Amino acid sequence: QSALTQPPSASGSPGQSVTISCTGTSSDVGGYNYVSWYQQHPGKAPKLIIYEVSKRPSGVPDRFSGSKSDNTASLTVSGLQAEDEADYYCSSWGGEVFGTGTKVTVL
Amino acid sequence: EVHLVESGGGLVQPGRSLRLSCAASRFTFSNYWMTWVRQAPGKGLEWVANIKEDGSAKYYADSVKGRFTISRDNAKNSLYLQMNSLRAEDTALYYCVRDLGFFVFDVWGQGTVVTVSS
Repeated sequence: QSALTQPPSASGSPGQSVTISCTGTSSDVGGYNYVSWYQQHPGKAPKLIIYEVSKRPSGVPDRFSGSKSDNTASLTVSGLQAEDEADYYCSSWGGEVFGTGTKVTVL
Repeated sequence: EVHLVESGGGLVQPGRSLRLSCAASRFTFSNYWMTWVRQAPGKGLEWVANIKEDGSAKYYADSVKGRFTISRDNAKNSLYLQMNSLRAEDTALYYCVRDLGFFVFDVWGQGTVVTVSS
């Protein structure tokens, strides 16, 4: 299975919003409502921030939201904060693969 | 707080073997699928293998099939990864992960580093 496709980078100023896409196929992203997103700070383990397309685990700020349309899922970070600067990975049931990863920079 | 601690990583020559361990605490280990995920230096995440709650089902990435074996001991709250015929491309940080199913991973250890080099 090929990795899900994400843009290598995204950026925004504090307080702004940034949206990251995750493109797969009808066999993974488009076929199931089981898209997850993970945040990884440098030198740290990944952290689950979104599951089942748009659900947030306890403790994850509501600034993080997820959505999906056809074969593309999206993660939106609203009201960007300095601590949101990290790598973000998507994943989907059906492919047993993660996305290629997106580095988010807070300008 | 739920806790996963990996161990067993190190420097190993190509073709040799290594066994990783993961100690779980503060949750009912036997109620969960468990997974190994790895991350090569400067690269993204790669799913390696997973195992059912009772160990009766195991699945592997094509890149490790036939060389790696995942196992668990529920009495010891421990997960293992036996890695044989290691290659340079197996060099990575290996994470032990709690698996909620449907490729959702809610608890991650800090990882153990495996370096395959002569």
